[in-house]
Amino acid sequence: NAGVTQTPKFQVLKTGQSMTLQCAQDMNHEYMSWYRQDPGMGLRLIHYSVGAGITDQGEVPNGYNVSRSTTEDFPLRLLSAAPSQTSVYFCASSTGTVNSNQPQHFGDGTRLSIL
Amino acid sequence: AQSVTQLDSHVSVSEGTPVLLRCNYSSSYSPSLFWYVQHPNKGLQLLLKYTSAATLVKGINGFEAEFKKSETSFHLTKPSAHMSDAAEYFCVVSERGSTLGRLYFGRGTQLTVWP
Repeated sequence: NAGVTQTPKFQVLKTGQSMTLQCAQDMNHEYMSWYRQDPGMGLRLIHYSVGAGITDQGEVPNGYNVSRSTTEDFPLRLLSAAPSQTSVYFCASSTGTVNSNQPQHFGDGTRLSIL
Repeated sequence: AQSVTQLDSHVSVSEGTPVLLRCNYSSSYSPSLFWYVQHPNKGLQLLLKYTSAATLVKGINGFEAEFKKSETSFHLTKPSAHMSDAAEYFCVVSERGSTLGRLYFGRGTQLTVWP
């Protein structure tokens, strides 16, 4: 019963490098999202998807790209890493889209440091 | 506009004493409200949710919360704290009834439990 799986768990990058954070869920959830967590800021939404082939921006999308080619996978791409993107990244999934009273299922996070 | 305010960034209690974590919200829609808990180096786990049924909501591990519309509050309580309750707690509101179904997170309350 894997739930939401994020890889890698830790990553250190140099400024300007690119990378992809992976997220996979095995619950057949339509709704998936990416958040970043910074101290004292709670979680802020980066991008989200309401189904395969459909993505949209959250409140802090700049510097990140997403795609959703399958229901299971929702990778997050950093195009050119900057120190301001040092953070803990969480992927979440849930059933339903408009009916948003469904709980989110979170992965364990990816801790990313940009030097 | 939606927003969530957790009134205390840190709360410290002794084991066996009551816990009160305070949350106020604002929402343009009929809100769904959630409390999540985050243990160190882990993702967020759902404690409980309010979705317009009973105003007193019971969750896991002995936690409960009361939705008070007149006060726009959704405070989290537990009669007797346990050492294992030490974690960070997030109050979350969703735009139930909107087309986006997005979540808004409070900045978190760090709960310390002293022996």
